[in-house]
Formats: sequence, structure tokens, C-alpha cells
Amino acid sequence: GQNIDQPTEMTATEGAIVQINCTYQTSGFNGLFWYQQHAGEAPTFLSYNVLDGLEEKGRFSSFLSRSKGYSYLLLKELQMKDSASYLCAPMDSNYQLIWGAGTKLIIKP
Amino acid sequence: GAVVSQHPSWVICKSGTSVKIECRSLDFQATTMFWYRQFPKQSLMLMATSNEGSKATYEQGVEKDKFLINHASLTLSTLTVTSAHPEDSSFYICSVRYRENQPQHFGDGTRLSIL
Repeated sequence: GQNIDQPTEMTATEGAIVQINCTYQTSGFNGLFWYQQHAGEAPTFLSYNVLDGLEEKGRFSSFLSRSKGYSYLLLKELQMKDSASYLCAPMDSNYQLIWGAGTKLIIKP
Repeated sequence: GAVVSQHPSWVICKSGTSVKIECRSLDFQATTMFWYRQFPKQSLMLMATSNEGSKATYEQGVEKDKFLINHASLTLSTLTVTSAHPEDSSFYICSVRYRENQPQHFGDGTRLSIL
């Protein structure tokens, strides 16, 4: 079957760095997306990895290892507005996104 | 700026009413549109995938007669929740995708409350 494993909840301090891990199993693979979803809002696109390695975009970076079925999202210089859920969504062979429950990130002052 | 416009953002109506939700692609013509439902503290649940000019593909367990999807043009898809009941109360979100290996861009969602 297809599944995603992310921590349910994480807590970090404003100004710090946090890494949100994601392991996945899919039928085929066409890349992996990370989305941010604030409470009560729709998801917004953060990053896309299709090849192994690190993609950096400002304070956010995303890493992919296809052989390990593993990705992480790295958030630097955390701000209070980064409090949200972070969704790891791999794309299967049919170009369908597989959604898990995401990781709720709580930022404390 | 936003690439997807979804309306209305909030609907409260009586049981038995039918509710139509619109999803528009603003920047480009979308090849595919998706409809999701999300209950509080749960993951996104894909309801159906919609391509312009063809019938929507519904996920298992989603009643096609209950949730009518019309993708009339490359920029517009509508979801009609027919004869809505309290258990249909949820957060409905559409997304658009322009190519298969590109991200889905989401509308702001519609919060539906059936009394």
C-alpha cells in the first residue's frame, strides 16, 4: 500500500532551526511536495523534490533520498508565523499526491 | 498573487439544500482540477479529479450523485453538494494543476455548515 510517516507534532523555539522528517512508500514515484497549512486555511506550496539532494528556498530547504524513501523539510530562523501543519506529499506513478495528516509545528517565543 | 479563486468561502444553510462551490483558475488554463474535503484535524481527502470536457473521476466511497462536479471550461470547475445534510459539513478545497509533475495550487477553501 501507499503510506506516509511524519511526526504528529513538534515544538521549537523562535529563531531556532527545526527539521521535519518524512518517510514514504508509494506505487511508483514522481517527486515529493511539501505544503504548509495554517489552521483553518488551505495548503500552500513550499517545495518540490524529484531528484536526490537538497533544494534551498530562503529559510526553507527540502531534502530527498529516493532510495531510502525519505525526505525532510528544514526551517531556519523560525518565526511565530511558521506555526502551522507541514504536509509531506509524494506523487505516485499516476501523478496522484498521497496525503498524510502532516506535522503540526508549534513555535514558542 | 492567488492563482486559484474559490467561492464562496463560507456557507451556512439548512439541511436538504443544495450548495454549489466554484473554483476558477486565474492565471493559466488548468489541465486538471481536484476537489478535496478535510474534517478537523484530519488529512486532506481527495474526492474527485476533474478534467475539462470529461467526466470527473471519483474516489472510492464518494457518491457521484451526491457530489456533482462540472468542469465546463479550462478555467472553471464546480462542485455541487446535493441535498446536503449535517454530516456533509466540512472544509471543501479545490486545487488546480497545470502539468502532471507540477504542484497543485489550492483555492482558499469553502467552509460548509449544514444546520
